[in-house]
Amino acid sequence: DAKTTQPPSMDCAEGRAANLPCNHSTISGNEYVYWYRQIHSQGPQYIIHGLKNNETNEMASLIITEDRKSSTLILPHATLRDTAVYYCIADTSGTYKYIFGTGTRLKVLA
Amino acid sequence: EPEVTQTPSHQVTQMGQEVILRCVPISNHLYFYWYRQILGQKVEFLVSFYNNEISEKSEIFDDQFSVERPDGSNFTLKIRSTKLEDSAMYFCASSAILDEQFFGPGTRLTVL
Repeated sequence: DAKTTQPPSMDCAEGRAANLPCNHSTISGNEYVYWYRQIHSQGPQYIIHGLKNNETNEMASLIITEDRKSSTLILPHATLRDTAVYYCIADTSGTYKYIFGTGTRLKVLA
Repeated sequence: EPEVTQTPSHQVTQMGQEVILRCVPISNHLYFYWYRQILGQKVEFLVSFYNNEISEKSEIFDDQFSVERPDGSNFTLKIRSTKLEDSAMYFCASSAILDEQFFGPGTRLTVL
């Protein structure tokens, strides 16, 4: 089973920041947190990952709490094209597989 | 930007037939994976492959499934005798090291 829990759905107004939470309370010290998204039935798209420091790239920011039990993916200015299912994955460094949960279905509203 | 490609995009087959799904991973990647997603359900791990051998496989990946890297560029998933319940999207992924995986667009397999 997935080690993460996410709300099933969220709405966000276009142009506003989308903040997607993820709980991973059983994460261990060497497990990274990965975020992917899936638009319709396309292949999952990598967004960002981190271990314990906050991370930012051209797509998003990742905020990981100090105890590492939860994280938030931030899309700073959501667009209609960001409508997708967002997956938070806690993966043990060195493992060969991702365990996907059901993710959060984000709908960006015009 | 390099990307993972998969062929065909849609495969229709009769129950009991063999199918081969093809993937071209990103060229300098060393780790290869197959996942599947039954319509409306979660993405499920099938198998990982490194150094010409299976690294890990799930319970789904039974004797009917096999993987191969026949040359330096292709990575294939074979289903020997398809069943109705094999109908799904099949995603190939690759990674350079045990780090972020990059997924292909998928092959939709329909078993009739």
